[in-house]
Amino acid sequence: GDSVTQTEGLVTLTEGLPVMLNCTYQTIYSNPFLFWYVQHLNESPRLLLKSFTDNKRTEHQGFHATLHKSSSSFHLQKSSAQLSDSALYYCALTYNQGKLIFGQGTKLSIKP
Amino acid sequence: EAGVTQSPRYAVLQEGQAVSFWCDPISGHDTLYWYQQPRDQGPQLLVYFRDEAVIDNSQLPSDRFSAVRPKGTNSTLKIQSAKQGDTATYLCASSLGRGGQYFGPGTRLTVL
Repeated sequence: GDSVTQTEGLVTLTEGLPVMLNCTYQTIYSNPFLFWYVQHLNESPRLLLKSFTDNKRTEHQGFHATLHKSSSSFHLQKSSAQLSDSALYYCALTYNQGKLIFGQGTKLSIKP
Repeated sequence: EAGVTQSPRYAVLQEGQAVSFWCDPISGHDTLYWYQQPRDQGPQLLVYFRDEAVIDNSQLPSDRFSAVRPKGTNSTLKIQSAKQGDTATYLCASSLGRGGQYFGPGTRLTVL
C-alpha cells in the first residue's frame, strides 16, 4: 500500500544552520500530491508546502521542497534555522483528493 | 477567509458519558475530515465526507462513534459512551480539490 517515510525521531540543530528533513514515499499512482505540515506545541497541523509538479521547487515561509518522482522524494529544506522553527513536521501524500497518508513525523528542535 | 472552526475546544468526561464535537469547514470546501490525534502521535483519519456523502468511515469505531454532515457543510462527530482510550485531540479538516487539507484548532478530549 501507499506509505510515507520521514527522517526518524528528533533532529536537533543550532540556530542559523541549514535544515533538511527527509521524506520519501511509495505509491502505485503516477500523480501523487505531496505536502509538508508543521505542528507547533498545543496547536493543530498547519499546511506548509504542497506540490504535484515533478522537479519544481515550491517555497513558503523560508522553507522549500522539490518533488522528485524519479526518487520518490520530497525533502524539506531551509537555509537557516530559527528558534521558532522548533515543531513537529509531517510529510503527507494523497492521490485521490481525499485521504492523506501521513509519515510518522519528525520533531525538529532548534537550540540557540 | 475564515478558517475551520471547531467547538468545544476542550471536554472532560467520565467514562460512559457521551460527547459531541462540531465542525464548520472553510466556506466552499466540499470535503471534510475528522481525525483523532492521541498525545505524541500523528493524526489518524476517522472518517471523511465529500459534500454530505461518507466516502470512508472504515477507521471509525462504529459501535460508539458516529459522524454526520447532513447538508454538506457543518459536521458533528459523536462518541456515544466514552472510554479512557478515547482521550485525544479531535481534529477537523477541510479541503477543495487537491489543494491540501486545512485543520481546525481541535477539541482536546480527556476521559477520566
